[in-house]
Amino acid sequence: NAGVTQTPKFRVLKTGQSMTLLCAQDMNHEYMYWYRQDPGMGLRLIHYSVGEGTTAKGEVPDGYNVSRLKKQNFLLGLESAAPSQTSVYFCASSYIPGLSYEQYFGPGTRLTVT
Amino acid sequence: DAKTTQPPSMDCAEGRAANLPCNHSTISGNEYVYWYRQIHSQGPQYIIHGLKNNETNEMASLIITEDRKSSTLILPHATLRDTAVYYCIVRVDTGTASKLTFGTGTRLQVTL
Repeated sequence: NAGVTQTPKFRVLKTGQSMTLLCAQDMNHEYMYWYRQDPGMGLRLIHYSVGEGTTAKGEVPDGYNVSRLKKQNFLLGLESAAPSQTSVYFCASSYIPGLSYEQYFGPGTRLTVT
Repeated sequence: DAKTTQPPSMDCAEGRAANLPCNHSTISGNEYVYWYRQIHSQGPQYIIHGLKNNETNEMASLIITEDRKSSTLILPHATLRDTAVYYCIVRVDTGTASKLTFGTGTRLQVTL
């Protein structure tokens, strides 16, 4: 199993450009999450999904959109990138809570917006 | 979810036990204590979790006080590869998705 993978690993954008970050998991997990991590801070939840075709807002959703068209994939979109979105983005997935709430994290995407 | 307090940093000699404390004095009866760690530039990694009883797995032990207001993560024989930021998180397992609130954690430095 590859676990949770993220594409790309690094990206530099100019202000106003758009991009999509891809997260894929091969563990048949129902739940998937997008977090961002800024220097000196813990992770903050952007959006999450409780199953295929469903998404919900997390703690810091503004400026981001997500889609979960397939169970194994969770996409994070930035429609018009801003310097404040410079961060490291982590995707995670988990089994249905109640059975186990261990979240499995991907390696991260380092995004710089200039 | 209840708030947690951890020391910002700790040092530990390789081969010795690392004891990482966490205070969660406002914890509710149905809230679990979770521990994750983040090795530099990698995604967080689940370590262990518990509700009331002490727990042990292949990575670590979790000791929860009887009043549940604090806990200690124990790495019995720390190695250089255990150098990481350790996060203590308190949350409710409600059967619905909810976020893990990562604070700033404890930066553990394991030295020779």
